[in-house]
Amino acid sequence: DAKTTQPTSMDCAEGRAANLPCNHSTISGNEYVYWYRQIHSQGPQYIIHGLKNNETNEMASLIITEDRKSSTLILPHATLRDTAVYYCIVTKAAGNKLTFGGGTRVLVKP
Amino acid sequence: DTGVSQDPRHKITKRGQNVTFRCDPISEHNRLYWYRQTLGQGPEFLTYFQNEAQLEKSRLLSDRFSAERPKGSFSTLEIQRTEQGDSAMYLCASSFGGTGEKLFFGSGTQLSVL
Repeated sequence: DAKTTQPTSMDCAEGRAANLPCNHSTISGNEYVYWYRQIHSQGPQYIIHGLKNNETNEMASLIITEDRKSSTLILPHATLRDTAVYYCIVTKAAGNKLTFGGGTRVLVKP
Repeated sequence: DTGVSQDPRHKITKRGQNVTFRCDPISEHNRLYWYRQTLGQGPEFLTYFQNEAQLEKSRLLSDRFSAERPKGSFSTLEIQRTEQGDSAMYLCASSFGGTGEKLFFGSGTQLSVL
């Protein structure tokens, strides 16, 4: 699976959009971009995934650049409950063993 | 859908003892995964099952570790002769598999080896 690079941490104001970047310059054509998050003392939680097109669901939006070498997870209106470690993972879909990096520690402040 | 259930939530043991953890996946899910997570690190893949077949094990997995999934339902992870380095959170996840697979994780079992 391709390696990903994320900032170690970032702060966000409650009610504002949080934009979380991820670089995956070695991604191959059949690899998906997945985002999970892990709130303290819980297991990781699936957020969203995409292959080429931008995606949106009830939790977030995923913007993938045209060359697929980077992506951004957008939390449109961050709340205190969004404070978590966010993991960007690139993987082939089949036999989806995930390779987690260090993630981005997001702190949403009032 | 009651989610992925893991038991126990916490386990304290002495070095050299054997421990066993249980994972009950979401009932319709055919894939089950075990991960390990140490403080400040992301989860690390250990092994996964498709139904009752164990399809892959991490090369990092010591032979003291064994996992089973009889009848393709719940799974157990056993650690024999525990060492202090085994102290970690052990996470279980399940999924339907297939394209665009999403893993659903349990809350984990926190193991402390004294």
